[in-house]
Amino acid sequence: GAGVSQSPSNKVTEKGKDVELRCDPISGHTALYWYRQSLGQGLEFLIYFQGNSAPDKSGLPSDRFSAERTGGSVSTLTIQRTQQEDSAVYLCASGARGASTGELFFGEGSRLTVL
Amino acid sequence: QKEVEQNSGPLSVPEGAIASLNCTYSDRGSQSFFWYRQYSGKSPELIMFIYSNGDKEDGRFTAQLNKASQYVSLLIRDSQPSDSATYLCAVSPSGTYKYIFGTGTRLKVLA
Repeated sequence: GAGVSQSPSNKVTEKGKDVELRCDPISGHTALYWYRQSLGQGLEFLIYFQGNSAPDKSGLPSDRFSAERTGGSVSTLTIQRTQQEDSAVYLCASGARGASTGELFFGEGSRLTVL
Repeated sequence: QKEVEQNSGPLSVPEGAIASLNCTYSDRGSQSFFWYRQYSGKSPELIMFIYSNGDKEDGRFTAQLNKASQYVSLLIRDSQPSDSATYLCAVSPSGTYKYIFGTGTRLKVLA
């Protein structure tokens, strides 16, 4: 497809389990972002990838969170030993670095519920 | 102090009125400013960006930037019920490609 694709769209897990969330950005976009949005809240920056450069991990809330981006394309966000406060919508966005608008294109998100 | 601050609202305006949404930011060196609209249950979508001080108009939307006051606003003229959504202000701090979002202002346009 032409847009940012995320999977799964919904994930329900038990506390303590690990989860993986996937993002397939728009083809040709070198920048990829992960954000988290809790109910009624704004977007919390988690991590940013730009091409083959070292990612900006400054927003990851704890060492239970990690992300990787393979081949400059698909990214996976992993949350280990999930906690109830991890429940949120995880949004992935991609962008073309250097584009005049700086526009981010968001996926539909992965809604994570930790019981 | 939060990096990007917005009044959460809701801001209610009658149909046809001007809606004024405001945002302040803390990083004085920020260069890029964006307004995203997010309908309930949907993902954000870009509606305006502004880089220079002053006003920038696009249809019914006007973005206003005052770097000295660290303030950016969005005006929506002739508001329509379809404009009812949460409006997110985003700022790109100096020297980064990171986008910091505010918590958003919920706008309700009453028919």
